Amino acid sequence: AQSVTQLGSHVSVSEGALVLLRCNYSSSVPPYLFWYVQYPNQGLQLLLKYTSAATLVKGINGFEAEFKKSETSFHLTKPSAHMSDAAEYFCAVSDLPGNQFYFGTGTSLTVIP
Amino acid sequence: EPEVTQTPSHQVTQMGQEVILRCVPISNHLYFYWYRQILGQKVEFLVSFYNNEISEKSEIFDDQFSVERPDGSNFTLKIRSTKLEDSAMYFCASSDLGEQYFGPGTRLTVT
Repeated sequence: AQSVTQLGSHVSVSEGALVLLRCNYSSSVPPYLFWYVQYPNQGLQLLLKYTSAATLVKGINGFEAEFKKSETSFHLTKPSAHMSDAAEYFCAVSDLPGNQFYFGTGTSLTVIP
Repeated sequence: EPEVTQTPSHQVTQMGQEVILRCVPISNHLYFYWYRQILGQKVEFLVSFYNNEISEKSEIFDDQFSVERPDGSNFTLKIRSTKLEDSAMYFCASSDLGEQYFGPGTRLTVT
């Protein structure tokens, strides 16, 4: 079975500071990993995905994530936070293409001006 | 850019009533999904659908739930007799074996 743990349900950073959102996964097979962002009253938008190619994945809006198999982690980072980054971020894992996604509990990012 | 659409955006219903939530997946996608998100909680998988049949379902997806692809474009989720605890945001998603593309959701409120 797959599962995702997101440490820190709420993260606050100052505008311009580094953003680090943590995601650890549990998977019995090489995983497919995703980060989604959800703005208030909106759906889930894909930020980036890992599908066994490069371990450092670049996504939209300046975000990137690094797959570390030894740590079973897929942390999301952005060098410099912007006010518009304030949202809920979800990490998700799947074991096979087409199979269901297992989502973490989400991390709410607040950006302080 | 193609997108998944869902209607209605908000549905209010009384306990015990039937509701149908509608989704139009991306046209060339073959895999369809329903997820729900209870307020303040994580997104939970309900069911996946491929080749006109259910391919996976969670324990949440009991006999009160059903899915259908009535034509070549729509994908529906029916809840036969709604309960208060069915109040949630329901997301439809579709995929072509890559990432899943999510719709904007239908907020279901059961009173």
